[in-house]
Amino acid sequence: DGGITQSPKYLFRKEGQNVTLSCEQNLNHDAMYWYRQDPGQGLRLIYYSQIVNDFQKGDIAEGYSVSREKKESFPLTVTSAQKNPTAFYLCASSIPGTEYNEQFFGPGTRLTVL
Amino acid sequence: AQKVTQAQTEISVVEKEDVTLDCVYETRDTTYYLFWYKQPPSGELVFLIRRNSFDEQNEISGRYSWNFQKSTSSFNFTITASQVVDSAVYFCALSEFNDYKLSFGAGTTVTVRA
Repeated sequence: DGGITQSPKYLFRKEGQNVTLSCEQNLNHDAMYWYRQDPGQGLRLIYYSQIVNDFQKGDIAEGYSVSREKKESFPLTVTSAQKNPTAFYLCASSIPGTEYNEQFFGPGTRLTVL
Repeated sequence: AQKVTQAQTEISVVEKEDVTLDCVYETRDTTYYLFWYKQPPSGELVFLIRRNSFDEQNEISGRYSWNFQKSTSSFNFTITASQVVDSAVYFCALSEFNDYKLSFGAGTTVTVRA
């Protein structure tokens, strides 16, 4: 089955630690995205990548880093510089170049900082 | 800058009632795309519909219907004869032509009581 997988589903981190969230897709999509969701708010874009070895900051990139070494994978690292990292993180992918940018989402990772 | 407003934070209905979710958007582009996504308690966003700015025909899919009105910049969503399984957060989103970015509204939480 084609889709997007995110792991782990739940993640706990101590303050001051970096943590990496996994996102893998087998949809053969070129573009991938990371969003953050906080209660009562819509999704906010952290980073996106339209092709391998290239990525751009979204609206709230501070305290986060990404890499895109393979088409299928777009891991997100939440660094200790992110002041309020507790949130729900969603990964998405799409086919760039299409006029409407329909995005497909993974099941999400819920990160809690203890 | 594009913007999506979902003024209703929460809606609670009894099963079989109809429920309408409002979505108002802002964009300077003449070509753009509007989306509705459903987020059940599991967390994954499920695509419901995409509409382009040149197609103002209303659409019906089973118990779901959408009313797109460019004159009022609105793209409202109605669930007819609601069911408990419709309980979820619903997001409206906007994408401008050939843009990577999806701008999301804050979401409306729908609770359907048996």
